[in-house]
Order: sequence, then C-alpha cells, then structure tokens
Amino acid sequence: GAVVSQHPSRVICKSGTSVKIECRSLDFQATTMFWYRQFPKQSLMLMATSNEGSKATYEQGVEKDKFLINHASLTLSTLTVTSAHPEDSSFYICSARDWSGREADTQYFGPGTRLTVL
Amino acid sequence: KQEVTQIPAALSVPEGENLVLNCSFTDSAIYNLQWFRQDPGKGLTSLLLIQSSQREQTSGRLNASLDKSSGRSTLYIAASQPGDSATYLCAVDNAGKSTFGDGTTLTVKP
Repeated sequence: GAVVSQHPSRVICKSGTSVKIECRSLDFQATTMFWYRQFPKQSLMLMATSNEGSKATYEQGVEKDKFLINHASLTLSTLTVTSAHPEDSSFYICSARDWSGREADTQYFGPGTRLTVL
Repeated sequence: KQEVTQIPAALSVPEGENLVLNCSFTDSAIYNLQWFRQDPGKGLTSLLLIQSSQREQTSGRLNASLDKSSGRSTLYIAASQPGDSATYLCAVDNAGKSTFGDGTTLTVKP
C-alpha cells in the first residue's frame, strides 16, 4: 500500500518557538493532504485540508495564523505551529489522498508527530 | 455533519474470547471506512479498509463488515490475545475527509 511519512516523529520545544512538521507521500502524488490533532485520551480531530498550490481550508475553531499549512508540491505538506505554547502539546497526524486509482478515494495516514511544548 | 459513534468505549475480556466492536455513522454517503489500532503513545496502524461497494474485509483473525444503509460497521476479533490490547478506532471517509470515532479501548487479560 501507499506510504506516508512524517518528520519529526517527536519534538520537544520551548514555549514561544515555532515548530515545523513535514508530511510526505512517498510513492504517490497527493493533491490533497489532511492534518489531524489528537489530545490525550481523545480521538483525532480534523484541523485542516491542504490542497496543492492553494490555501488550506481550516475547520471551525482552528486558528489559521497559529497553524500555518503549506502544500507546495504534490508530495509534501508542512504544518508550522507558530509561537507554540504548552496547550499546543498534542499528537499531530497527517494523511494523504491517493487519486491514482489503485484504491480509489483512499486516505493513507502518517505515523504521527508528538509535540511537547515546555 | 458526519458523526461517528463507537460502542463500547472500553472492553475487557479474557484471552481466547471472540469479540465484536461496533461503529455507527450518521451519513451513509461514504467513500470507505477504515479500522485502526492505536497503542498508547503511538500512531495509527491501519487494520482493515472497506470500500463503500464492499460488505466485508478479512485479515487473519480480524473481520470487518460494513452495512452502509444502516450506518454500521463491526470489527470482529477471533481468539483474542493479550497483544490485541489497544484502542481501536473507526474512521469514516466521505466528502473528502475522515471523521473518527472516539475509539474502543480493549484489554485482553492473560
């Protein structure tokens, strides 16, 4: 099956710094990628939809100036958490949609990035 | 807006039992439904993917069924083992994005 990678897998940073998380589709082109967030003992919540070459669409309640998303190529989307604070500590997971037809309309999920803000 | 519910929230069984996890969703216009496993502090492991045109998928001791018209899916685990202990999430994919249930936390006791 298709593979999606995320980097880094784990990051610890000081409050006030910015952190960039990368999501890559390794063996397919993804015109659409999604970013999810998971708080401890809760399920995943969609944050935003990232479309290659255009602005991301954010879900209600997600601050677009806080969570900057860039989808500059068909295989890479980045999520930048700006001026991170302890409440931003969470597990961030991306997914990518493979439109190639091997398995129509299927999302493939990355392994996740655990962000801890001190 | 799609809503996904998983029942039960937690389940504890002795080793060797067969068990069923349930997932229900409100909007039946789905592309597919996936079952995932998540171990504590870890990412998602995809277990089974059922396309909207399919009724079930099987992998080893796992069998997932899908009844789109009634908005239900079940994950059947046969002969449970302690290593099956984890949180199981179902995710419904429609309109271009996935909605996750809150998960069922399974504990299999030796």
